[in-house]
Formats: sequence, C-alpha cells, structure tokens
Amino acid sequence: RKEVEQDPGPFNVPEGATVAFNCTYSNSASQSFFWYRQDCRKEPKLLMSVYSSGNEDGRFTAQLNRASQYISLLIRDSKLSDSATYLCVVNPWGLSGNTPLVFGKGTRLSVIA
Amino acid sequence: SAVISQKPSRDICQRGTSLTIQCQVDSQVTMMFWYRQQPGQSLTLIATANQGSEATYESGFVIDKFPISRPNLTFSTLTVSNMSPEDSSIYLCSYYQASSYNEQFFGPGTRLTVL
Repeated sequence: RKEVEQDPGPFNVPEGATVAFNCTYSNSASQSFFWYRQDCRKEPKLLMSVYSSGNEDGRFTAQLNRASQYISLLIRDSKLSDSATYLCVVNPWGLSGNTPLVFGKGTRLSVIA
Repeated sequence: SAVISQKPSRDICQRGTSLTIQCQVDSQVTMMFWYRQQPGQSLTLIATANQGSEATYESGFVIDKFPISRPNLTFSTLTVSNMSPEDSSIYLCSYYQASSYNEQFFGPGTRLTVL
C-alpha cells in the first residue's frame, strides 16, 4: 500500500462550485498533515496544515480522521485561480519537522468559467 | 517564512556531464532537503542535507550519483553526476521552519533536461 494515496482527478468544476478532495495515509503513527498547492511548472506551496480538530481558512476547510487515516480538503465557492494540483502531504515520523515529508501524487483541479 | 532561492532555474545538459544546483536560504535553518519531481509525478525525497555531516540518502539514491554539500546553515548544493536522460526532472530544495507547525518550504526548483 502506498504511503499517501489520492485520487489524481482531474476534477473539472464550474466557478462557484464546492469540491472535496480525499487522501488516505498508511502510517498510523503519523502526526502532522498538510495540503500543498502546486501550480503548473512551479514549486509546491503550503496551503494549510491539517489540525486534529479540523481547521478552516477562508473558503478552505481541512479535516483529519485518525481512525480511518483519512484527510480531506473542501473548497467552497471555487475560483478560476484555484485551478492547480493539490498535494496531500504527511510527516510520517511524528511532530518534529526535522524529517522529510511524504507526498501524494496530487489531485488536479480545473475550475471552469 | 525565509526566502529560498535556487540556481540555476533551468539547464539543458549533455549525457555524461554533471550539474551542481545551489540552494540558498536568507536565514539560518536547521534542516534542508533535496527532492526530485519527474514529469507528471509527485515529489520524491533524494536526501536530507545535514550541516556538518554527510547527507542522509533515501533508498534508491546514492552519494556517488547525487553528492550533497551543506557547508553552513543557509546553503546547500546538490550535484547530479554522470547524467543520463533519466535524470531529466525538476530538482527542489526545501527547508524546515522550526518556529511554525513543522511546515517545509520549497525553493522554486531547477528544471533539468539531459539530452
């Protein structure tokens, strides 16, 4: 089983739609989780960390389900500028950031006018 | 977050040659990492660049092929040695920001094409 699995998409949604991405991870000891966004031919940029209780940042909501080893990202009121690849990222070795991250392959989102 | 830069941003190289990529952070950081992203794929960790000691390599990557230097807390280099077309990829460095929720931040990447 891969360490971090995501649906690759693409998800093609109209402007204003709500879209949700899911991700599963295999290491139950993982402690920290992130969503990164990667635009075409650019480096990944941190979108948001995922906290145990779930967290929201504007139109973006992240949820963590430890029992199911499942992470989600919800985007409300999609904008054209949200078109990108969304990477589910896990630190499998605990809370220390001094360890490398494990990346999912990404879910591609296209928001259409 | 600190500003992180890479040089060169892109290069086209001949088979059998070597290329050294530089990564500079504008403040001292504890850990730096080197990743590779092949076309259409996600990021794969090559190694952790340790200041004052040898880099720690992931399975499938060896020091002879990817020598890494970390002379101080703001700078690291990755060399891709004896290149082949299979080495064509984007190479990214990242650092760990100790003061935040353990996020890692990435440089802009070096796009390498080997002919």
